[in-house]
Order: sequence, then structure tokens, then C-alpha cells
Amino acid sequence: NAGVTQTPKFRVLKTGQSMTLLCAQDMNHEYMYWYRQDPGMGLRLIHYSVGEGTTAKGEVPDGYNVSRLKKQNFLLGLESAAPSQTSVYFCASSSPGQIYEQYFGPGTRLTVT
Amino acid sequence: ELKVEQNPLFLSMQEGKNYTIYCNYSTTSDRLYWYRQDPGKSLESLFVLLSNGAVKQEGRLMASLDTKARLSTLHITAAVHDLSATYFCAVDTLFTSGTYKYIFGTGTRLKVLA
Repeated sequence: NAGVTQTPKFRVLKTGQSMTLLCAQDMNHEYMYWYRQDPGMGLRLIHYSVGEGTTAKGEVPDGYNVSRLKKQNFLLGLESAAPSQTSVYFCASSSPGQIYEQYFGPGTRLTVT
Repeated sequence: ELKVEQNPLFLSMQEGKNYTIYCNYSTTSDRLYWYRQDPGKSLESLFVLLSNGAVKQEGRLMASLDTKARLSTLHITAAVHDLSATYFCAVDTLFTSGTYKYIFGTGTRLKVLA
């Protein structure tokens, strides 16, 4: 089991460029999440999905879009990158039930210049 | 506004000493999670606390939950250098869509000095 994987691991973008971050999980989890982590601010939820074909906004969704065409994949898109989006992005997944423990991917470090 | 507050934010301690990290939260929740993050790494699950009075222990770490006080503690016993990391607590809260989401604390950066 690979768990939760993310690609790419690192990326540098110029302001205005676009890119897509891919998250994949092999645990058959229903729920998937995208977070960003900034120094001193913990993790903040960008978007999440409770199943294939469904997505919803989290705390900081502006400037991002997501898609969940397949249960195992959750894509995070930046249409026009801004320096404020420089961050470390983590994907996570979980399964509904008594324990909503989330399993995290290794992260993607994104720098926007 | 839903908040999860950890203190201290930074903790430098000597090997062999004991200390406690506190996690206070403002929402009603029966579930609380502790994670560890090493520099440049992802989050690793440490404890899942599912009810009032829950206590979990793993090695030199022990976590407890008091849902009435909306407080969880992570106690470190006889610290060793390998425990140096950032520790996060997270609380489940019911989201508007009917599902649950985490709210994370800002983290406690622990440095254990030899």
C-alpha cells in the first residue's frame, strides 16, 4: 500500500502561470482533502470531497479549483498563480465512520515568484 | 469562530525532563487527534481520542481528552532528542455539508536539548 501520494514534490512557478497538483490514494477512502501549510498558521483546508464527482469549499478556497473524477484521485488546480500561494500543500484522505482519522500525503512545496 | 489553540508554541527542554503541551478548542467535539511533523516531512498520526476521559500512551508520550473543559494534553515523560518535532492537535467539527472536517491548532515546536 502506497497510502497517499502527491505529485510533484516541488515546483516553482512564475506569477500568472497555472498548474495542477495530483493526489492519489489506494485505501479506498471516500473523503479527500487539500490543505495548505504556512509558517505559524498550522494547516488550513482549501477544498474537500466526500465522494467521486463531488467537491466543496474549505476555509481558504479562493484562487484554487479541484476535481474528483475518480475516487482515488483528487486534483488541485491553480489557474493563475500568485506569490501568496507559495506554501506547502498537503493532501489527505479518510473514511466515514467513528474514526475520521486523516492520512496525509508527503506534501508539495510550491514557490511562486 | 471555531478555534483550536495550542500552547506553548515553542518549547525547548532538556533531555530527561517532563513537560505538557495543551490544546484548547472552542467547538463541541468528542474527537481529537494528535499528529507529529518532522521538518520537511508530512504529518504522522500519534493518537486518536474518541471520548471524554480518553487516555492513550505510546512510549514517552501520553495524550488525554477532557471534552467538558474542551482541553487535551500531550504529556512528555523523560524527553529524548528523538522527540524533537512539531506537534499538532486537530479537532473534528461538523461541517455545513453534513460531513466532518478538521480544525488544526497552530502547532507546538518542540526541541529537546542533549
